[in-house]
Amino acid sequence: DVKVTQSSRYLVKRTGEKVFLECVQDMDHENMFWYRQDPGLGLRLIYFSYDVKMKEKGDIPEGYSVSREKKERFSLILESASTNQTSMYLCASTTGTSLFFGPGTRLTVL
Amino acid sequence: AQSVTQLDSQVPVFEEAPVELRCNYSSSVSVYLFWYVQYPNQGLQLLLKYLSGSTLVKGINGFEAEFNKSQTSFHLRKPSVHISDTAEYFCAVKHGSGNTGKLIFGQGTTLQVKP
Repeated sequence: DVKVTQSSRYLVKRTGEKVFLECVQDMDHENMFWYRQDPGLGLRLIYFSYDVKMKEKGDIPEGYSVSREKKERFSLILESASTNQTSMYLCASTTGTSLFFGPGTRLTVL
Repeated sequence: AQSVTQLDSQVPVFEEAPVELRCNYSSSVSVYLFWYVQYPNQGLQLLLKYLSGSTLVKGINGFEAEFNKSQTSFHLRKPSVHISDTAEYFCAVKHGSGNTGKLIFGQGTTLQVKP
């Protein structure tokens, strides 16, 4: 069965902290994505990666960076967390047309 | 740029009634269309997808959607809903073919099924 896991379901951080969100998939997928989900805005793409060490900006990359050192792992980094980054973060992977999503990490920045 | 509009933010409906969740997308040469569902406190899962062929697509849990190229729509329907269908539903579009390309999502529609 397809599996995408995210390191935390809930996370609380303080303004200015560096935050790491980890995502791991066990399906040998080339493509991985990070979205954030906010009420009334749907899912917005932050960054995506087509291969190891490759990354491309999505629609809202400001304030974020990513790392993909291994095919199965895609990390989202908040360099200096701010309150407007309080959100649900969803990781997804695919090797074809359909995305498989992780359960999400609900991040609160105080 | 490609965009997706879900015309209703909330749809309340009584159990066993039919429901339609509306989705329109901006036109493109070729698109793939998707509906995802998100149950409370869970990630998204695929309900159905249109890639090519028959314009009527059947998905899981009794849902179906119709691709209408002239109206650039991909509305989701179910003839009789259950309480367990209460969830948020997202329409999404992907450009072109191949493994690359990103999914663009609509704003989501919350389906509230009442007893």
